[in-house]
Formats: sequence, C-alpha cells, structure tokens
Amino acid sequence: DQQVKQNSPSLSVQEGRISILNCDYTNSMFDYFLWYKKYPAEGPTFLISISSIKDKNEDGRFTVFLNKSAKHLSLHIVPSQPGDSAVYFCAASAINAGNMLTFGGGTRLMVKP
Amino acid sequence: DSGVTQTPKHLITATGQRVTLRCSPRSGDLSVYWYQQSLDQGLQFLIQYYNGEERAKGNILERFSAQQFPDLHSELNLSSLELGDSALYFCASSVGEYQPQHFGDGTRLSIL
Repeated sequence: DQQVKQNSPSLSVQEGRISILNCDYTNSMFDYFLWYKKYPAEGPTFLISISSIKDKNEDGRFTVFLNKSAKHLSLHIVPSQPGDSAVYFCAASAINAGNMLTFGGGTRLMVKP
Repeated sequence: DSGVTQTPKHLITATGQRVTLRCSPRSGDLSVYWYQQSLDQGLQFLIQYYNGEERAKGNILERFSAQQFPDLHSELNLSSLELGDSALYFCASSVGEYQPQHFGDGTRLSIL
C-alpha cells in the first residue's frame, strides 16, 4: 500500500520554463511534507518543506503547494535550470509516528538547455 | 556536503555473512535514521534513534539491528545476509522532530 505516490516517473522541460512535480498521499495523518532532490551516487538533498497548517511555502526558485482536501502537493521550480536535472522525491511524516519519512517513488526531471 | 558521513561507501560480501554500516550525524543533530533503497521498494524507513534511545521502527528485519552510541554515531548491523539485502543503505540525521532530515551519500551493499 503506497501511502505517498508520484505518478509521473519522468518530466522533461525547457530551460527557463516552469517545472511542476506532483505528489499524492493517502494517509490523512500526514502533517509534514518535504521535497528532496537526488543526483546519482549521492544521498537525497533537502529542498523545501511545508507543514499542514500552511498551503504554500517559498524558497528562492522553489515553491511547494499543499492541498489538504485533495491530499496533493506540488513542487514548482521557476525558472528551471539544467542543473536542476535530478530525481525528485516527495516525503511525508505524521506527528504520531515520530519523524519517520514515507517517500514517493520519485520523478526524474530533465531540463533541456 | 550534508555533513552526514557514512562508511564504507561500498561493501561486497557473500550470503550468510554479517556486516556493519557506520554513520556519523551532522554536528548537533541528536536523531539518526536508517533507510534502505532497493530497486523494487524505493526508499524505506528502517529505524530511528534519538540521543541513544530507539524512537521508531519501520519494516526492519529481525536479522538487522542498530544502535546509537554516546558520541551520537550510529551503526546498522546486518546479519545472515541474503541476496535480497543488496541495496543502498542511507543514514540521515536531524536536530529533532519536524525538522528536515539530512542524508549521507549511502553505503552500497552487494551480496554475491
């Protein structure tokens, strides 16, 4: 039972355009959500997070949106750069489960110059 | 550089053997987490320690165990290894709950 799903295995965008990565979850107890970026042969790198009391959080070119009623979150990258090409994972945790993260399967983003 | 150090980077061993993976958390982080990434299962939580005490357990096999030492480094012990244990094992650390976890670069374990 996948509690966190990233339905798009891959996404290709042109440099300078917006990249939108999506994530759905089923566990209504999740209340803290994160996005990680992963390059080959490296560990996941933290990008941005959002708690369930907010619906938007921005950090530079990265914005995360949370729609609790739809159990959906998205990561917007504007403008996209070739260096953003990587695998992106969304993750979620619930207060009653400590800080253990449940990860989605990842989306491979390719930004073309 | 996340500040989380994992050793060794690669480990090749045979079925039935026992290995120990080591993790040094970021300076100041009290929580350590272990995750397994295999091709068919994605990133799966194994176990969490906070300041030396076990805090949460995921789907960790009984053949696997972990501990966190007084200097806050952690070790993951895998015994009676099977072919299916071949995976990337990541360690992460955080200051506390509701704080982002920062990951090391992992240990790639190959069972022959």
